[in-house]
Amino acid sequence: QSALTQPASVSGSPGQSITISCTGTSSDVGGYNYVSWYQHHPGKAPKLIIYDVSNRPSGVSNRFSGSKSGNRASLTISGLQTEDEAEYFCSSYTTSSTPVFGGGTKLTVL
Amino acid sequence: EVQLVESGGGLVKPGGSLRLSCAASGFTFTTYSMNWVRRAPGKGLEWVSCISSGNGYIYYADSVKGRFTISRDNAENSLYLQMNSLRAEDTAVYYCATGSPPTWDFDYWGRGTLVTVSS
Repeated sequence: QSALTQPASVSGSPGQSITISCTGTSSDVGGYNYVSWYQHHPGKAPKLIIYDVSNRPSGVSNRFSGSKSGNRASLTISGLQTEDEAEYFCSSYTTSSTPVFGGGTKLTVL
Repeated sequence: EVQLVESGGGLVKPGGSLRLSCAASGFTFTTYSMNWVRRAPGKGLEWVSCISSGNGYIYYADSVKGRFTISRDNAENSLYLQMNSLRAEDTAVYYCATGSPPTWDFDYWGRGTLVTVSS
């Protein structure tokens, strides 16, 4: 199962909005509404921020939102804050019944 | 507070073995499926293995099948990963995380333990 495709990096200024894409195939992202997004600060535990394409776990800021169209899922972060600077990973259920992750996107808040 | 604490990482030669542990607290361990996920240097996350709450099912990634064995001790709230026939490409930070099919939402994660396979 090939990794999902994410841009290596994105950047934005405080207060702006950014979107991170996650591209798969009909065997993963496009075939199921089981896409999750994770935030990972270096040296810390990764954190689930979006599940089932667009749902936020309790306690996650509503500045984070998720969507999907066809084989592409997206994570949008609005009102960028310096603490949002981290790496972001998507994941999806696959036809193999196992999960696959994206390569990760490093967000820089300028 | 949910805590997952991995241990057992280190430097090992190619072909060697290592056993990772994950100590869980702050939630009802016995009701959660548990996973190992790794991140190699400069690469993305890679799911490694999953074990259900009652050992009813076990999954492995093709890259580790036949070499790694996942297990758990519900009495000790602990998760394990026995890694044999280690290769350089197994070098990674290994994380334990909760999550189960089909949603594979990895709700809680530890901070990871580093495994380095090198001669």
